Amino acid sequence: EVQLVESGGGFVQRGGSLRLSCAASGFSFSSYPMTWVRQAPGKGLEWVASITDGASVVSYADSVRGRFTISRDHKNSLYLQMNSLRADDTAVYYCARVRAVASYFDYWGQGTLVTVSS
Amino acid sequence: SFELTQPPSVSVSPGQTARITCSGDKLGDRNVCWYQQKAGQPPVLIIYQNTKRPSGIPERVSGSNSGNTATLTISGAQAMDEAEYYCQAWDSSTTNYVFGTGTKVTVL
Repeated sequence: EVQLVESGGGFVQRGGSLRLSCAASGFSFSSYPMTWVRQAPGKGLEWVASITDGASVVSYADSVRGRFTISRDHKNSLYLQMNSLRADDTAVYYCARVRAVASYFDYWGQGTLVTVSS
Repeated sequence: SFELTQPPSVSVSPGQTARITCSGDKLGDRNVCWYQQKAGQPPVLIIYQNTKRPSGIPERVSGSNSGNTATLTISGAQAMDEAEYYCQAWDSSTTNYVFGTGTKVTVL
């Protein structure tokens, strides 16, 4: 069974940093691209960043480029380093598995809440 | 920039058909997928590659995509279909994934 479990969320002051983790199990993690998607309270889904299976290519939304860094290890973990956090980064952050050929996300974690105080 | 637009809300009577549209420039040339999100839960993939259903998704859920509009159709609507629905596609020019604005479906 595919499982994705996010951790690392919490309360942080504006300008601070936080590192999110996503532990994957039930599939060959190194064979799949991965992504982070966020959802501000009461708002829609927003794609944040993606990384290829070999970690050679990363992509970012304009809203986080230069402040966030997506990475992965060779075992089973995905990361999102978030720096220079702003109030509008407050959201639930989901990790998801990417099916690149048809560009969709087939499995999602439960999410971890990041709250940035202003 | 590439954007996907959905109606904010759709209402449907039980047993009737709900249709949710997703509009974007030349959307028919792209692969579109759909997610269902119930309150307090993560999104769930319900349609991928325009028309395909993951295992466990009932046949009364279907998708289409042509021209500038993709459509999610839910036949025989049930109370369990009440949720927010999002379309999503990939923008090759920016290598960004794009979500639609979301549609809240109410069954009443």
